[in-house]
Amino acid sequence: GESVGLHLPTLSVQEGDNSIINCAYSNSASDYFIWYKQESGKGPQFIIDIRSNMDKRQGQRVTVLLNKTVKHLSLQIAATQPGDSAVYFCAENKDYKLSFGAGTTVTVRA
Amino acid sequence: EPEVTQTPSHQVTQMGQEVILRCVPISNHLYFYWYRQILGQKVEFLVSFYNNEISEKSEIFDDQFSVERPDGSNFTLKIRSTKLEDSAMYFCASRAGPFTDTQYFGPGTRLTVL
Repeated sequence: GESVGLHLPTLSVQEGDNSIINCAYSNSASDYFIWYKQESGKGPQFIIDIRSNMDKRQGQRVTVLLNKTVKHLSLQIAATQPGDSAVYFCAENKDYKLSFGAGTTVTVRA
Repeated sequence: EPEVTQTPSHQVTQMGQEVILRCVPISNHLYFYWYRQILGQKVEFLVSFYNNEISEKSEIFDDQFSVERPDGSNFTLKIRSTKLEDSAMYFCASRAGPFTDTQYFGPGTRLTVL
């Protein structure tokens, strides 16, 4: 079946370095994607989104890249900070139902 | 900043008992959702709700589940006869309107069925 997934379950990054989290999706009809951050004991927190008519979108310290040719989505976090430690989910928005990937746990090393 | 709230944060119940999970969506939001996350697994869509009726539901949302907006602020998820496999985090989310896409999530209720 069609699904949204992440390449790696864990990512360890040095504080101050840039982080890149990847996600592959298989539903070519998807037109809207979102990255969420989930800290321990909390609900998913919206980070950034992108529509399929775009290939890049920037926020504060975060950039989302969309490659529709290979159905790949990535989240780049600049100058990673300890507060960025969390689980990151990509989600596909289809008819306003979110379909989440499995998540990547990001650990920031001091 | 407005946020979605959920109560209780943790609910422990015996198998076969009814539970009601409560959510207060962001004020003036029109679309409401329930999702669940079994420990270690993906967040899964359960149901969407608009204009006092269910818009869409997943296969998980069987006859044991129901949702209600009893007043102008609360949005509830009821599980009539809980099963062990209902143990999960349940997240409520809300969305402002038809021309907005972002769903904002609450902190979740951890349901433990014994």
